[in-house]
Amino acid sequence: DAMVIQNPRYQVTQFGKPVTLSCSQTLNHNVMYWYQQKSSQAPKLLFHYYDKDFNNEADTPDNFQSRRPNTSFCFLDIRSPGLGDAAMYLCATSRALTGNTEAFFGQGTRLTVV
Amino acid sequence: AQTVTQSQPEMSVQEAETVTLSCTYDTSESDYYLFWYKQPPSRQMILVIRQEAYKQQNATENRFSVNFQKAAKSFSLKISDSQLGDAAMYFCAYRSVLLAGAGSYQLTFGKGTKLSVIP
Repeated sequence: DAMVIQNPRYQVTQFGKPVTLSCSQTLNHNVMYWYQQKSSQAPKLLFHYYDKDFNNEADTPDNFQSRRPNTSFCFLDIRSPGLGDAAMYLCATSRALTGNTEAFFGQGTRLTVV
Repeated sequence: AQTVTQSQPEMSVQEAETVTLSCTYDTSESDYYLFWYKQPPSRQMILVIRQEAYKQQNATENRFSVNFQKAAKSFSLKISDSQLGDAAMYFCAYRSVLLAGAGSYQLTFGKGTKLSVIP
């Protein structure tokens, strides 16, 4: 059974047109993360939520926003997608922020900007 | 800031043979966690194996084992008796023990090694 579900799997959006990616989890984990993974590059953390507390990485562009209306769902909003935002976006969850806590990943959403 | 380097973008192995994927990292911390994640094509990333830096014994999970050399800051993954289902991207990742500052809780990934298994 899928535990971290990302929708859609593939998303095509127009340059400058707002787009929202979604993530849901059945694990009841406190922490949810959004990573950006470009081709041949390491996944890069954009931000995370610890419960309702939002934490933005210092180098995450303002163009990227996130919402977590409840424990199970988290959304990634890209306000004005540029060609450079085309990437795989990974959602992950973990029970805690520290320790050797395993992170559970979704299958990712591949975003194409045209 | 910590960095993780995987120097082999691609590797291949014959089915049933053994392959070792390399990972080095840079950190000033004395305690931390290291992970290997597997990302099969079009499927989610899953944890393969983890190592706690304060433990000298190398972690083992069935056919997967690590060679953790703390002084050399090296963390290689050995896959024995390779199977077709092992074909995937493998990511080495680092995580701090403590919340020493913003971002220190996050997984820092290497760029990955694409492993192909030849029948």
